[in-house]
Amino acid sequence: GAGVSQSPSNKVTEKGKDVELRCDPISGHTALYWYRQSLGQGLEFLIYFQGNSAPDKSGLPSDRFSAERTGGSVSTLTIQRTQQEDSAVYLCASSPLAQSEKLFFGSGTQLSVL
Amino acid sequence: AQSVAQPEDQVNVAEGNPLTVKCTYSVSGNPYLFWYVQYPNRGLQFLLKYITGDNLVKGSYGFEAEFNKSQTSFHLKKPSALVSDSALYFCAVRDSGDDKIIFGKGTRLHILP
Repeated sequence: GAGVSQSPSNKVTEKGKDVELRCDPISGHTALYWYRQSLGQGLEFLIYFQGNSAPDKSGLPSDRFSAERTGGSVSTLTIQRTQQEDSAVYLCASSPLAQSEKLFFGSGTQLSVL
Repeated sequence: AQSVAQPEDQVNVAEGNPLTVKCTYSVSGNPYLFWYVQYPNRGLQFLLKYITGDNLVKGSYGFEAEFNKSQTSFHLKKPSALVSDSALYFCAVRDSGDDKIIFGKGTRLHILP
């Protein structure tokens, strides 16, 4: 694929439901990031994967949030028992190397929790 | 831990005038600094980066940024603004002792015709 692909592009869910957001990074990119973009909050770091190393989960806002990356490629961000404050755009980015390289962003998933 | 601050939520500049979007950072090691832009209804795009070397970095669309170590700043500049430069601009930092990239809250740039 040409770029980072995220699905779904839009997700509307009811408060209390679980959601899964998917990210397909650019082939061969070893680094993968998840960010959350809310109005007035900018880009909030959530989690970072690099190769087979343990992920940096320091940005996850609560234990309702988790993410995994299978086979060093596709990543899934899961939000359990969604709350209205989880409504945001969730962005995924990948990078070819761990250091000093620019990020390539997907178009994001717009999550709306009713 | 690294952090980045963009003190202005919004900057208004008349077309043809020079523009500056401010960014300051905090790291414990050496900084890797980036600027990204988000045009309306489009994804985030890389503009430029500073890793080492010349303090003045040139990037896409005529933008440049100046690294100032003593002031821990990395302000984005352009000599002559275009209406098409109107967008949301994000400064980002990576600490040399860490791999994750932290972004600022963004500055909305309005270029007035």
